[in-house]
Amino acid sequence: NAGVTQTPKFQVLKTGQSMTLQCAQDMNHNSMYWYRQDPGMGLRLIYYSASEGTTDKGEVPNGYNVSRLNKREFSLRLESAAPSQTSVYFCASSEGPGLAGGHSYEQYFGPGTRLTVT
Amino acid sequence: RKEVEQDPGPFNVPEGATVAFNCTYSNSASQSFFWYRQDCRKEPKLLMSVYSSGNEDGRFTAQLNRASQYISLLIRDSKLSDSATYLCVVNMLGSQGNLIFGKGTKLSVKP
Repeated sequence: NAGVTQTPKFQVLKTGQSMTLQCAQDMNHNSMYWYRQDPGMGLRLIYYSASEGTTDKGEVPNGYNVSRLNKREFSLRLESAAPSQTSVYFCASSEGPGLAGGHSYEQYFGPGTRLTVT
Repeated sequence: RKEVEQDPGPFNVPEGATVAFNCTYSNSASQSFFWYRQDCRKEPKLLMSVYSSGNEDGRFTAQLNRASQYISLLIRDSKLSDSATYLCVVNMLGSQGNLIFGKGTKLSVKP
């Protein structure tokens, strides 16, 4: 079991370029997430997919799009990269969205993509 | 008030010491609580879930105080390998179970 995998591990882009970050999980999880982590800011949710076929905005969605390709894969696209998008991007998955009674499943993270936009 | 607050540290302790981290959360209706560990330049990894009655896993003990809305993590007999950033995590209601991550407390265990 590889868990959650992400590609690429590192990327340097010029302002205005586009790219897609790939994420896949082999745990048969229903929910998947994209976060960014910046120094002093902690993890911030960009987009999530509670189940296959659905996607929703998180805290910081501007400048990003996502695709839930199938149950395993969830990609994040930067259409026109900006220096403010320089960050570490983590994909995560969990068994599912919240349960009745307000409980949530834990999330499992991929190794991250370090993106620099110049 | 921020949703999840932690002392950023760093906590610098000698090997063998006992260290405690606290975390406060703002949503009294939150039901799920976790501690994650993040090593430098690595992904966060689940350390333990936090249950209402408190729970222990080896040298690690987690406690939940719902009345005061805080969570604690106690590490006994610290090891060099415990050096990491510890993230307090709480679920956000009304958002399909999404989690809110604190900014983390950095721990450095010295020989």
